[in-house]
Amino acid sequence: AQTVTQSQPEMSVQEAETVTLSCTYDTSESDYYLFWYKQPPSRQMILVIRQEAYKQQNATENRFSVNFQKAAKSFSLKISDSQLGDAAMYFCALRRGSSGTYKYIFGTGTRLKVLA
Amino acid sequence: DAGVIQSPRHEVTEMGQEVTLRCKPISGHNSLFWYRQTMMRGLELLIYFNNNVPIDDSGMPEDRFSAKMPNASFSTLKIQPSEPRDSAVYFCASRLGRGGTIKAFFGQGTRLTVV
Repeated sequence: AQTVTQSQPEMSVQEAETVTLSCTYDTSESDYYLFWYKQPPSRQMILVIRQEAYKQQNATENRFSVNFQKAAKSFSLKISDSQLGDAAMYFCALRRGSSGTYKYIFGTGTRLKVLA
Repeated sequence: DAGVIQSPRHEVTEMGQEVTLRCKPISGHNSLFWYRQTMMRGLELLIYFNNNVPIDDSGMPEDRFSAKMPNASFSTLKIQPSEPRDSAVYFCASRLGRGGTIKAFFGQGTRLTVV
């Protein structure tokens, strides 16, 4: 079975500071993808960043970067220079990479508050 | 493209009534997912379709829940009869299964309240 765990229900960060959101997962697959999705109050689900498990290099997207520790099955999201618009729920997700099932398994989310 | 379109945006119904949620995936996408979001359990995958065929419905909580995808541009999630514990936000998502981007695109959700 695949599982995704986000142990931080809520985090706060001062504007312009850096925050790291934690995510651990479990899978028996060797080929998989990991994602971070952002859900603002509008309830949209916005893809923030993704990581292919076969890539050793950590993915980065502007102010967002991940620390992918494959052996430890850890996939944390770092937000640098936090902005008020970053305030949202953040979901970590896992998807099997090979053909067959395409379902995404999500964690329970971390609510990020950005303090002015 | 208008993105994934869900309707209605909000639904309030009485316990015991039938509820039908609708989803129009992005044109050309061949995978469609139904998720339920609650505070307690976060996002739960209920069912997903590939090329209009249900592939995995193991997340459907009970027989009261059913989903159909009669064609590539439309899917429904039905709850009959509805119960207060079904109150949640229901999301539909779609993606292109082969080639292209692997990311899933979500609709804005339907907030269901069963009283």
